[in-house]
Amino acid sequence: AQSVTQPDIHITVSEGASLELRCNYSYGATPYLFWYVQSPGQGLQLLLKYFSGDTLVQGIKGFEAEFKRSQSSFNLRKPSVHWSDAAEYFCAVYNAGNMLTFGGGTRLMVKP
Amino acid sequence: NAGVTQTPKFQVLKTGQSMTLQCAQDMNHNSMYWYRQDPGMGLRLIYYSASEGTTDKGEVPNGYNVSRLNKREFSLRLESAAPSQTSVYFCASSETYGGNTIYFGEGSWLTVV
Repeated sequence: AQSVTQPDIHITVSEGASLELRCNYSYGATPYLFWYVQSPGQGLQLLLKYFSGDTLVQGIKGFEAEFKRSQSSFNLRKPSVHWSDAAEYFCAVYNAGNMLTFGGGTRLMVKP
Repeated sequence: NAGVTQTPKFQVLKTGQSMTLQCAQDMNHNSMYWYRQDPGMGLRLIYYSASEGTTDKGEVPNGYNVSRLNKREFSLRLESAAPSQTSVYFCASSETYGGNTIYFGEGSWLTVV
């Protein structure tokens, strides 16, 4: 069974609007959580990660994510989206076998 | 600052042909990985090498072999390519295995016809 679920396959937002990408995981212990971004034709770039401590994590490019244990979620947010944020976003978690498991991805489109 | 470099970037194979994807990292990382990416399925781990001299199967190893040539290099071989292996392949590395940030190469687009 997949350990990470990204419920939204596609999301379209207007430039300047706020963004929230959802990620839910299934893992009993304290998870190690990641968000990666993939621009078209490129590899994956790490946006941010959560290992422990403060549940609100700041990343690059103005992104942040909040770990909520009670909801098994690690949603990615940005207060104001730029056209250059159009990309595919992947949530990932280390599973019990120490393998990094990815969600199916959310493709973000930004309207001018 | 190269990071993880993989070659070739694009390849078209005929069914039954063999090929090797090459990967090298210059970050002195101990662990290396091969993933494949298919639409809607995220990235799935094919094989990994937790440290030089070891390799292990990931989630989808069938049809592939790997070689950890040295600490820097980790190759992926398709012995007899099948259309189901049409995918984007990513090599990656991390300082150690388990719980560390994984850094990715730019991908290799493989089409099997």
